Amino acid sequence: SQQGEEDPQALSIQEGENATMNCSYKTSINNLQWYRQNSGRGLVHLILIRSNEREKHSGRLRVTLDTSKKSSSLLITASRAADTASYFCATDRDSNYQLIWGAGTKLIIKP
Amino acid sequence: KAGVTQTPRYLIKTRGQQVTLSCSPISGHRSVSWYQQTPGQGLQFLFEYFSETQRNKGNFPGRFSGRQFSNSRSEMNVSTLELGDSALYLCASSLGGLNEKLFFGSGTQLSVL
Repeated sequence: SQQGEEDPQALSIQEGENATMNCSYKTSINNLQWYRQNSGRGLVHLILIRSNEREKHSGRLRVTLDTSKKSSSLLITASRAADTASYFCATDRDSNYQLIWGAGTKLIIKP
Repeated sequence: KAGVTQTPRYLIKTRGQQVTLSCSPISGHRSVSWYQQTPGQGLQFLFEYFSETQRNKGNFPGRFSGRQFSNSRSEMNVSTLELGDSALYLCASSLGGLNEKLFFGSGTQLSVL
């Protein structure tokens, strides 16, 4: 079963606009990670944020974590065609040593 | 440094057969984890190995098994294949476990006919 839920399921925006994706989870976590997947290939790690952190940046990416609401958001600024991909969040928990994945957001950047 | 290598890239099997997938992690990585990805169920955790020991297993039947060798290479085996086992199987490696950055292979696309 999946712990994470992501919304929107799909997002289509113009190149240059900002894209925001959200991830919600059900139980307390240690860490939350964001990954990108292009066309059914392997996933690429974007950012890891720990439960005691509220915000992290990496280039054009900004991730926030709100543990009180059990949610995280991924913001991609100044989107490019190469950002077209599916984006997944994944959480790990103390009580059950596994990695639980969200359903993913499919992002399409229109030129 | 070479990335995570999964072989084969594509596989076609028939129901009832068994299959073995291989994963070579990044040099120095001791944790290897496996995932099943399908359009209907999304990404699901199968199991994780660290220093030849299985540390945890997801909610999959016993037909799904794996092992890790002393050089950290890992294999995953699925016996008595079912149509529903058709999926992209991904492996990932990391230095210490699932609570850190994972490096993924390109996956093995398994089709069961």
